[in-house]
Amino acid sequence: AQSVTQLDSQVPVFEEAPVELRCNYSSSVSVYLFWYVQYPNQGLQLLLKYLSGSTLVKGINGFEAEFNKSQTSFHLRKPSVHISDTAEYFCAVTNYGGATNKLIFGTGTLLAVQP
Amino acid sequence: NAGVTQTPKFRVLKTGQSMTLLCAQDMNHEYMYWYRQDPGMGLRLIHYSVGEGTTAKGEVPDGYNVSRLKKQNFLLGLESAAPSQTSVYFCASTATGTGNYEQYFGPGTRLTVT
Repeated sequence: AQSVTQLDSQVPVFEEAPVELRCNYSSSVSVYLFWYVQYPNQGLQLLLKYLSGSTLVKGINGFEAEFNKSQTSFHLRKPSVHISDTAEYFCAVTNYGGATNKLIFGTGTLLAVQP
Repeated sequence: NAGVTQTPKFRVLKTGQSMTLLCAQDMNHEYMYWYRQDPGMGLRLIHYSVGEGTTAKGEVPDGYNVSRLKKQNFLLGLESAAPSQTSVYFCASTATGTGNYEQYFGPGTRLTVT
């Protein structure tokens, strides 16, 4: 069985400061990894994904994430956040080569950017 | 190209009432999913479908039924609503055979059961 852990339920940060949102996963098989963002009262939007290749993945809005297989982590980073980055961020995994593409989500991290 | 749409956006039900949530996608995606989102619990998969006429149970299927009679539509039914089904429901879809694996989400339906 797979699981995703986002240890930080909320991360407050000042505008223009760097931020890291942590994600760890557990799986007995290889996985694909995703970060989704949910702005208030909206659906989820893909930020970035790791399928294969370079372990450093760049996404939209200046975010990037690094896949670390030995630490089973996929932490999300941004060097300088804006007020508009305030949202909830979800890490998710799915089986490599799976037949259904089902996603297992973490519990989410609320990024609260303060002026 | 509307992507994934959900109807209705909001609904209030009394305990024991029934309702159907409609999800529609215009991207010709094979796979469709229904999730529920509850505070502090992330999104949990209710049911999913890998093609027209096929459905399968997800992580939290009890109290829900689904149907996929047309490729573009995925219906979620609550036969006898309970307060524990108060939640925000999201539908998603994804293509197959593209190597993309991205799920596209609808805007959600906020359901309150009193």
